[in-house]
Amino acid sequence: AQKITQTQPGMFVQEKEAVTLDCTYDTSDPSYGLFWYKQPSSGEMIFLIYQGSYDQQNATEGRYSLNFQKARKSANLVISASQLGDSAMYFCAMRDTNTGNQFYFGTGTSLTVIP
Amino acid sequence: GAGVSQSPSNKVTEKGKDVELRCDPISGHTALYWYRQSLGQGLEFLIYFQGNSAPDKSGLPSDRFSAERTGGSVSTLTIQRTQQEDSAVYLCASSRGTSGRDTQYFGPGTRLTVL
Repeated sequence: AQKITQTQPGMFVQEKEAVTLDCTYDTSDPSYGLFWYKQPSSGEMIFLIYQGSYDQQNATEGRYSLNFQKARKSANLVISASQLGDSAMYFCAMRDTNTGNQFYFGTGTSLTVIP
Repeated sequence: GAGVSQSPSNKVTEKGKDVELRCDPISGHTALYWYRQSLGQGLEFLIYFQGNSAPDKSGLPSDRFSAERTGGSVSTLTIQRTQQEDSAVYLCASSRGTSGRDTQYFGPGTRLTVL
């Protein structure tokens, strides 16, 4: 079974608008971490934001925020005030102790910001 | 400080040859991961090292793939008798530890092309 599911292969957003990238996860472990990474066309993977399963508040990092809905097992990334430089692939990932600290990655969402 | 470095950045080889890919993690990071990313795809976990523990090799696709980590630092991924389907970008990542919050930091990758 897929541990991480990203159902949006491609998304478009107008510059300066907000966009939500979906991510759902599957684990039976009560302790886990959720991560989002950005991969521009240059290929490097850039860490964006982290949410712990026991964190009471949604994580925020600048223009990035994570809409964490634990009961629904979703961890959507919200990018506010989109910029042209946000055009990239975005990967959701999870680590849980059941898997010996492996990271599981989704298939990614390609985001294109339109001027 | 220095990030994760990988060498070579590009490698072109002929089918049947052996290749070695090198990863130099961030100093002090105890965990090291190797992934494979085929064109337009997500990340495929290959192998994971944590301190002096036995590595988690569960993601290695065949016995042609092996990896070692010397002195708890530099790691080498070896692919023997390369096949065309081995063509991909090989990404290395390191993390400070294995608590839920310890994110991975990625190197720039090695693009392997098997002719």
